[in-house]
Amino acid sequence: EIVLTQSPGTLSLSPGERATLSCRTSQSVSSDYLAWYQQKPGQPPRLLIYTASSRATGIPDRFSGSVSGTDFTLTISRLEPEDFAVYYCQQYGPSPLYTFGQGTKLEIK
Amino acid sequence: QVQLQESGPGLVKPSGTLSLTCAVSGGSINSNDWWSWVRQSPGKGLEWIGEIYHSGSTNYNPSLKSRVTISVDTSKNQFSLKLTSVTAADTAVYYCVRNSYYCLEFWGQGTLVTVSS
Repeated sequence: EIVLTQSPGTLSLSPGERATLSCRTSQSVSSDYLAWYQQKPGQPPRLLIYTASSRATGIPDRFSGSVSGTDFTLTISRLEPEDFAVYYCQQYGPSPLYTFGQGTKLEIK
Repeated sequence: QVQLQESGPGLVKPSGTLSLTCAVSGGSINSNDWWSWVRQSPGKGLEWIGEIYHSGSTNYNPSLKSRVTISVDTSKNQFSLKLTSVTAADTAVYYCVRNSYYCLEFWGQGTLVTVSS
């Protein structure tokens, strides 16, 4: 099973700042197979990014994804108050088909 | 836009069977998509349980495979989850989801299932 390790566990920033969240995979993963989600309390996860860098429908362009080797990054260019939430990365395959990182909590400083 | 709604008992006794149904609206379960169940508990985070295609083809998480059955009812535009021999470790919020390109695109609101006597 491929393990996803997210860092940091908690990120404290202020609105307007830039956020950089990391997801490292234990084995090489195709960039097609990496997605990012945002989850707010009491809500289901919301798909933000798929294929490592493609924004899902309706996602603002301040959210972007990138990859370098086994290191995947979610960047929020300029934090809005509604961006403070928990973020998860997810990879596809081989077994189980979908696995998730443990999450990064983005909190207001 | 497709919407998904989970339903089922919120309380299940230990050693019993957890049964949930996901009603799909705003789209057809016969579309060229797979449909998944995912659960979330404080102890284990997000865990993918399994998926089904409208033909009835399934894939399961090996960690749960011996206890899980996912089925589909195309006439009712819904799919279902059964998890047998439950323990307190199966207490979680259960989500039904429509898959997309190697990701999980549309999520239901989730339903909390507690395993307790």
